[in-house]
Amino acid sequence: GNSVTQMEGPVTLSEEAFLTINCTYTATGYPSLFWYVQYPGEGLQLLLKATKADDKGSNKGFEATYRKETTSFHLEKGSVQVSDSAVYFCALSEQGGSEKLVFGKGTKLTVNP
Amino acid sequence: DTAVSQTPKYLVTQMGNDKSIKCEQNLGHDTMYWYKQDSKKFLKIMFSYNNKELIINETVPNRFSPKSPDKAHLNLHINSLELGDSAVYFCASSQEGWGIAKNIQYFGAGTRLSVL
Repeated sequence: GNSVTQMEGPVTLSEEAFLTINCTYTATGYPSLFWYVQYPGEGLQLLLKATKADDKGSNKGFEATYRKETTSFHLEKGSVQVSDSAVYFCALSEQGGSEKLVFGKGTKLTVNP
Repeated sequence: DTAVSQTPKYLVTQMGNDKSIKCEQNLGHDTMYWYKQDSKKFLKIMFSYNNKELIINETVPNRFSPKSPDKAHLNLHINSLELGDSAVYFCASSQEGWGIAKNIQYFGAGTRLSVL
């Protein structure tokens, strides 16, 4: 079945450091890919998305590129802020319009001032 | 206005009790979901309803029963609560349609269930 694998956390960085959170997936067909973010005490929010190979999703300084050849969708940000501290989830949706999202296990990011 | 609202936010109860969690969305979406997030933050879908019809039912004990009185509401009823049911439960909704918009899900703030 479809699955998503994220790098193990937690990740601790200093403010203004470069962030990479790795995400790889296993899927049949051509899934859509997502990054969701969960701030402390809140529900998940969509951060960015990509629907086909080589698409780049971006939002709030975060970027991720859909790489079909490596089945990856790594999340990056050039300069993190304390307010970016949260849990980040990589997810895929199955091809064909299925509503089902498959999530990775989440990566907790803590950014220190 | 809150797009997806869940009540209660916290629920503490004894083993063996029956409890319900309510969810309402005011986004006009056709599809609603229940997810369970365990203590390690792992998030797994439990159920999905589209226009009051069950479309996803993952391997969940039959003590869990979703109920959708209309497409804006999806409630979760849990019978005979067990210690292992302690988790955060999230409700979500998404728009019917084709393509990427269909898979953007909007989440509630979660209900933290503690079974003692």
